[in-house]
Amino acid sequence: EAQVTQNPRYLITVTGKKLTVTCSQNMNHEYMSWYRQDPGLGLRQIYYSMNVEVTDKGDVPEGYKVSRKEKRNFPLILESPSPNQTSLYFCASSPGMTYGYTFGSGTRLTVV
Amino acid sequence: KQEVTQIPAALSVPEGENLVLNCSFTDSAIYNLQWFRQDPGKGLTSLLLIQSSQREQTSGRLNASLDKSSGRSTLYIAASQPGDSATYLCAVDSSYKLIFGSGTRLLVRP
Repeated sequence: EAQVTQNPRYLITVTGKKLTVTCSQNMNHEYMSWYRQDPGLGLRQIYYSMNVEVTDKGDVPEGYKVSRKEKRNFPLILESPSPNQTSLYFCASSPGMTYGYTFGSGTRLTVV
Repeated sequence: KQEVTQIPAALSVPEGENLVLNCSFTDSAIYNLQWFRQDPGKGLTSLLLIQSSQREQTSGRLNASLDKSSGRSTLYIAASQPGDSATYLCAVDSSYKLIFGSGTRLLVRP
């Protein structure tokens, strides 16, 4: 089944403890991106990647890192999480411009 | 700067009613427009994708239209069912980034 898989689905962590949210797609898509969803602010892009080793900042990149070493994987790294990064995170992939996006099921992160 | 607005913010209708959800955007330079459904606390399910050269797309009871020149899209849901209750999001693709509206929260009453 064609899909974007995120792990974990739920995560509670403490301030400052480094964490990684994984994202993997099995559709051979060139393009991948991360979004966060917050009440009243909607969905906002964090980072995106147009291909392997090519990444760029979205609208809210502060406090996040990404890497794209393989086409199928695009992990989101929080080196020192803070409570304001408590959010619902989504990974998405697409074959490229003009094509639609497929989203993962989301990761609900709570930083205490 | 692209901005996407959805009206209404919330809608409650009796089962069986036909309904229209509205989406407007400020910059007509888009690659495509995509409608999503989101159930509470869940992921985004793609409903329809309209590419910039298209005027409409249909899938089952759903029909979406796109008027780039006026910056508007509508999602038409025919014969609504309680299972259609969810939040509906429209998003425009502006160069490697989806810009989302704030959504319409739909409740279909049995």
